[in-house]
Amino acid sequence: QVQLVQSGAEVKKPGASVKVSCKASGYTFTSYDINWVRQATGQGLEWMGWMNPNSGNTGYAQKFQGRVTMTRNTSISTAYMELSSLRSEDTAVYYCAKWDIVLMVYDDWGQGTLVTVSS
Amino acid sequence: DVVMTQSPLSLPVTLGQPASISCRSSQSLVYSDGNTYLNWFQQRPGQSPRRLIYKVSNRDSGVPDRFSGSGSGTDFTLKISRVEAEDVGVYYCMQGTHWPSFGQGTKVEIK
Repeated sequence: QVQLVQSGAEVKKPGASVKVSCKASGYTFTSYDINWVRQATGQGLEWMGWMNPNSGNTGYAQKFQGRVTMTRNTSISTAYMELSSLRSEDTAVYYCAKWDIVLMVYDDWGQGTLVTVSS
Repeated sequence: DVVMTQSPLSLPVTLGQPASISCRSSQSLVYSDGNTYLNWFQQRPGQSPRRLIYKVSNRDSGVPDRFSGSGSGTDFTLKISRVEAEDVGVYYCMQGTHWPSFGQGTKVEIK
């Protein structure tokens, strides 16, 4: 079955960067886009951007442009999301999600990675 | 950006009673292929979101038939015919027609 397994929780200082990984299994990694979505504590879901694991092409929400980088390593079926210049408002759970291009929706999600930004 | 607006944001419901959540989009969600990519997710406490409904009214495998989706254009509804204890959580509408966006979420709780 499809699994997206994310890296563990992180604590970072303001101004630092964080890199979260998302290891895929149970399907052909290069056949489906990976999106990243975040959720601040007690808040809703916020789309950050997408990456095509086959081409490496990316698209980012305007809010995160210049601060987010999405990459992948196809040899280990792993996607990465790096967010730089962290501030306290970036404290959130970060999810990777597999995008179904036919249904235009997410069909599988990672378990989430809590990133805490605190001095 | 397409703004998704849900109401109500909080929904206390008696067990066995129906519940209804509204979702409105700031733009039409009809795609150039004629399909409407409006979806509903359930997020139980401490869990990742789980898809319930895709393309307005299609229930995912394993989703109880007490859940139903309807609507068109910019106006959509998720209904639970008889709320059960396991339905407690936050429900989000999400559109995939344009760059993805989510509603604010509706918290369903038992009275």
